[in-house]
Amino acid sequence: DQQVKQNSPSLSVQEGRISILNCDYTNSMFDYFLWYKKYPAEGPTFLISISSIKDKNEDGRFTVFLNKSAKHLSLHIVPSQPGDSAVYFCAASITGNQFYFGTGTSLTVIP
Amino acid sequence: DAGVTQSPTHLIKTRGQHVTLRCSPISGHKSVSWYQQVLGQGPQFIFQYYEKEERGRGNFPDRFSARQFPNYSSELNVNALLLGDSALYLCASSKTGGYSEAFFGQGTRLTVV
Repeated sequence: DQQVKQNSPSLSVQEGRISILNCDYTNSMFDYFLWYKKYPAEGPTFLISISSIKDKNEDGRFTVFLNKSAKHLSLHIVPSQPGDSAVYFCAASITGNQFYFGTGTSLTVIP
Repeated sequence: DAGVTQSPTHLIKTRGQHVTLRCSPISGHKSVSWYQQVLGQGPQFIFQYYEKEERGRGNFPDRFSARQFPNYSSELNVNALLLGDSALYLCASSKTGGYSEAFFGQGTRLTVV
C-alpha cells in the first residue's frame, strides 16, 4: 500500500527553466514532509522540509508547496542547473518519526 | 562536521548468514532510523531509535533487529539472510526524531548470494 506516490518516473528540463516535481499522499494524518535528492551510490541528501501548518517553504532555488486539501506537494527548482540532475524523493510522516517515501522522480537538466 | 557515517560500505554474504551494519549519527543527534532501499523503490522504514529506546518499527520480519548505544551510534542486525535482503541499507540521524530534518549516510550495499 503506497501511501506516498510520485507518478512521474522521469522529467527533463532545459537549464535555466523551472523544474516542478510532484508528490501525492493518501494519509491525511501526515503532517511533516521532506524532499531529498539522491545521486547513484550515495545516500539521499536533504533538500527542504515543510510542516502542515505551512503551505509554502523556500530555501534558495528550492520551494516546496503543500496543498493539504488535495494531499499534494510539489518541489520547484528555479533556475534549474545541470548539477540538479538526480533522483528526487518526497517523504511524509506523522510527527516526523517514521517516513514514508515515494518511488522517486529522475530529473535530467539539459545544458 | 562529520555527517552520518555507515560501515561497511559494501559487503557480500551467503544465504543463512548473519550481518551487522553500523551507523554513527551526526554529533548532537539523538535519533537514528534505518531504511532499506531496493532498486527502483524509495527507502522503506525499518526502525527508529531515540535515546536508546525503540520508537518505531516498520513491516519487517523478526530477523531484523537493531539497537542504539549510549553514544547514540546504532547497529542493525539481520539474521538468516535471504536473497531478498539484498539492498542498500540507509541510516538517518536527526536531532530529536520528531519535527526535525533527517540526514542520511551513504548507505551499506548488502548483496546476499
